[in-house]
Amino acid sequence: GAVVSQHPSRVICKSGTSVKIECRSLDFQATTMFWYRQFPKQSLMLMATSNEGSKATYEQGVEKDKFLINHASLTLSTLTVTSAHPEDSSFYICSASRPGGGGEKLFFGSGTQLSVL
Amino acid sequence: DAKTTQPPSMDCAEGRAANLPCNHSTISGNEYVYWYRQIHSQGPQYIIHGLKNNETNEMASLIITEDRKSSTLILPHATLRDTAVYYCIVRTDGATNKLIFGTGTLLAVQP
Repeated sequence: GAVVSQHPSRVICKSGTSVKIECRSLDFQATTMFWYRQFPKQSLMLMATSNEGSKATYEQGVEKDKFLINHASLTLSTLTVTSAHPEDSSFYICSASRPGGGGEKLFFGSGTQLSVL
Repeated sequence: DAKTTQPPSMDCAEGRAANLPCNHSTISGNEYVYWYRQIHSQGPQYIIHGLKNNETNEMASLIITEDRKSSTLILPHATLRDTAVYYCIVRTDGATNKLIFGTGTLLAVQP
């Protein structure tokens, strides 16, 4: 089946540094990928929609200059948390949509736990 | 996309069927019902989806009421590994369409 790979699975960084998270679709081309954030004991919150070859679409309240999204190829989207602060500590999850088939399904990465000290 | 209402938590005995309800009274005619689950500290996993007919796959069955205002996900023989948060989501079909998660139901399968 379709697989989405997310890397790294866990990252610890100092406040003020930037962190890049990669999301790859391994066996299909994904023109659209989605980025979510999840705080402990809460549901997933959609941050942005990443479109290959164009600018990402951010949800209301998500700072586009803070969370930089690049979708340079049909199999790779990256999320960069710039100048990270402790309040950015969260579980970040990507998903990719496989087009076609009997009803599209979204496939999710395994998530990245970001801890900002 | 229409919103959904699910109970916050449920218990189920191992080996028994788990029936997870979902209300989606404002669902539109072209919106599908999707079910995903999230095991602790992992990404969500697709389970099943349907439009109006009941659906069954190797993981679960989905029963949608005739008026489509509610549905039930059935795990026929729950195991401890089925302990997870189960999300019911309504969404129009399409690769670029967003998937918006509600609060879900925490299913705890008891030994």
